Amino acid sequence: DAKTTQPTSMDCAEGRAANLPCNHSTISGNEYVYWYRQIHSQGPQYIIHGLKNNETNEMASLIITEDRKSSTLILPHATLRDTAVYYCIVRVPYNTDKLIFGTGTRLQVFP
Amino acid sequence: ETGVTQSPTHLIKTRGQQVTLRCSSQSGHNTVSWYQQALGQGPQFIFQYYREEENGRGNFPPRFSGLQFPNYSSELNVNALELDDSALYLCASSLVPPDTWNTEAFFGQGTRLTVV
Repeated sequence: DAKTTQPTSMDCAEGRAANLPCNHSTISGNEYVYWYRQIHSQGPQYIIHGLKNNETNEMASLIITEDRKSSTLILPHATLRDTAVYYCIVRVPYNTDKLIFGTGTRLQVFP
Repeated sequence: ETGVTQSPTHLIKTRGQQVTLRCSSQSGHNTVSWYQQALGQGPQFIFQYYREEENGRGNFPPRFSGLQFPNYSSELNVNALELDDSALYLCASSLVPPDTWNTEAFFGQGTRLTVV
């Protein structure tokens, strides 16, 4: 699985959009980009995933660059409850759905 | 609330002992994965069970073993506990259809194991 690089931490004001970047410059053509988050003392929670097109669901939007070497997770209107560690993961969904987590980005949403 | 439940929530064991952690997967899910999360780190993949058979293993020694039962619940067993085994142990379940592994994993709240 390709490795990802994320900033260690970010801050965001409540009500503003939180844009979390992820670099995956060695991603291969059949690898998907997945995002999970982990709120303190809880198990990780699935957010969204995509291959090459931009994706949106009720939680977030995922923007993947045309060359697929990086992506951005967007939380359109961050709330205090969005304070968590956000993990960007790339994987090939073949024969297993194991996830390789890095250290993630710690997002702090402040009032 | 994901529907994945783990027990116990907290556990203290002595070095050298054995421990069994349990996971009840979300109804209808056929795949269970176990992860170890040390303090300040991301979760590390231990192994996965698909339809009661081990389907992939991470870089963990054989004293980490598991089972998946016909109802798709699962156990993680760790023998000869070491101090470094102190961590949050997470279970994740998913429903894998016949033609793809492009799935969403649902995690439980974890079991906090402390080895003293």
